[in-house]
Amino acid sequence: DAKTTQPTSMDCAEGRAANLPCNHSTISGNEYVYWYRQIHSQGPQYIIHGLKNNETNEMASLIITEDRKSSTLILPHATLRDTAVYYCIVRPNSGGSNYKLTFGKGTLLTVNP
Amino acid sequence: EAGVAQSPRYKIIEKRQSVAFWCNPISGHATLYWYQQILGQGPKLLIQFQNNGVVDDSQLPKDRFSAERLKGVDSTLKIQPAKLEDSAVYLCASSLQANYEQYFGPGTRLTVT
Repeated sequence: DAKTTQPTSMDCAEGRAANLPCNHSTISGNEYVYWYRQIHSQGPQYIIHGLKNNETNEMASLIITEDRKSSTLILPHATLRDTAVYYCIVRPNSGGSNYKLTFGKGTLLTVNP
Repeated sequence: EAGVAQSPRYKIIEKRQSVAFWCNPISGHATLYWYQQILGQGPKLLIQFQNNGVVDDSQLPKDRFSAERLKGVDSTLKIQPAKLEDSAVYLCASSLQANYEQYFGPGTRLTVT
């Protein structure tokens, strides 16, 4: 079972920031937060991951709360091509544990013109 | 850098027939995954290979599904005999090692009639 909770759907205006929340209240100390997205009829695409510090790359920013029980993925200037299902996943990165990705149903982000 | 390749992209078969899917991972990636994605759900891991060895096949219906990665590069997933409930998108993914981010192929959409 997925260990995260996400809203089923969200809307965002083109050019505005999209903020996608994720709750992971049972996250363990060695588990990272991963974000993937899946555009219609394509395979999932890796976006970003983090442990406890905020992370930024060319696609997005990831803000993780201090208690690590929730996080927010930020797309700073959403475009129509960002319309997709966004998955938040927690997974260990070390320690010889099971590194399996367990996908939930994700959040359908619709960017409107 | 070439991505994960899958073929065919689409397949329609009748129930009780057999079908095979092929995956070529990103060059140098040791870990290969097969996922099943039923319409409206997130992908579910079927099997994970590390080089040519199976790491996790706990969710693979072994009475009808089989997979191999003989030389630690390409992989095939077979279903024999197919059932109506096998209608889904079959996704292949690869990662440099098991604890790295995964890169997904475009998937094969299987329809069983």
